[in-house]
Amino acid sequence: NAGVTQTPKFQVLKTGQSMTLQCAQDMNHEYMSWYRQDPGMGLRLIHYSVGAGITDQGEVPNGYNVSRSTTEDFPLRLLSAAPSQTSVYFCASRGRSGEAYEQYFGPGTRLTVT
Amino acid sequence: AQSVTQLDSQVPVFEEAPVELRCNYSSSVSVYLFWYVQYPNQGLQLLLKYLSGSTLVKGINGFEAEFNKSQTSFHLRKPSVHISDTAEYFCAVRVPTGRRALTFGSGTRLQVQP
Repeated sequence: NAGVTQTPKFQVLKTGQSMTLQCAQDMNHEYMSWYRQDPGMGLRLIHYSVGAGITDQGEVPNGYNVSRSTTEDFPLRLLSAAPSQTSVYFCASRGRSGEAYEQYFGPGTRLTVT
Repeated sequence: AQSVTQLDSQVPVFEEAPVELRCNYSSSVSVYLFWYVQYPNQGLQLLLKYLSGSTLVKGINGFEAEFNKSQTSFHLRKPSVHISDTAEYFCAVRVPTGRRALTFGSGTRLQVQP
């Protein structure tokens, strides 16, 4: 199993540009989520999904869109990048039962918006 | 809503000394409790979790944590640290139902010195 994969690892955007951060998992997990990590603030939930076709907002959803057309993929879209979105982004997934208590994290995408 | 407070942003300690990283949480309902570790430029890895039962929980790499319901605390301890334990440590909570996403503390950077 590759686990949770994220691409790209690094990205630099100019203000106003759009892009999509990719996240995929091969563990057949139902729950997937996106977090952003900022110094001194821990990780904050952006959006999450409890299954294909179902998404909902987290703590800091503004400026981001998500969709979940398959169980495996959960892309995060930045519609019009702003310097405040400079951060490290982590995707995570979790199963429904068994090891459902453990959330698996991807390696992160470091985004800089200039 | 839940919240997590990690009282120390940085903890310097000498190699082979004991360490305690403090975590307090606030919630109106029962929660699951977690400690994650993040090594430099990597994603998060689960150290240990408390779901129910014994309040003393043992995790990987010699770490343990004790759940104290009356003090709403879940402090992480290790009797003897190594240089390789240098990392950032995050305490997190999750309610068993509903959103099921993690709420993180702001993190504690453990710096082990020779």
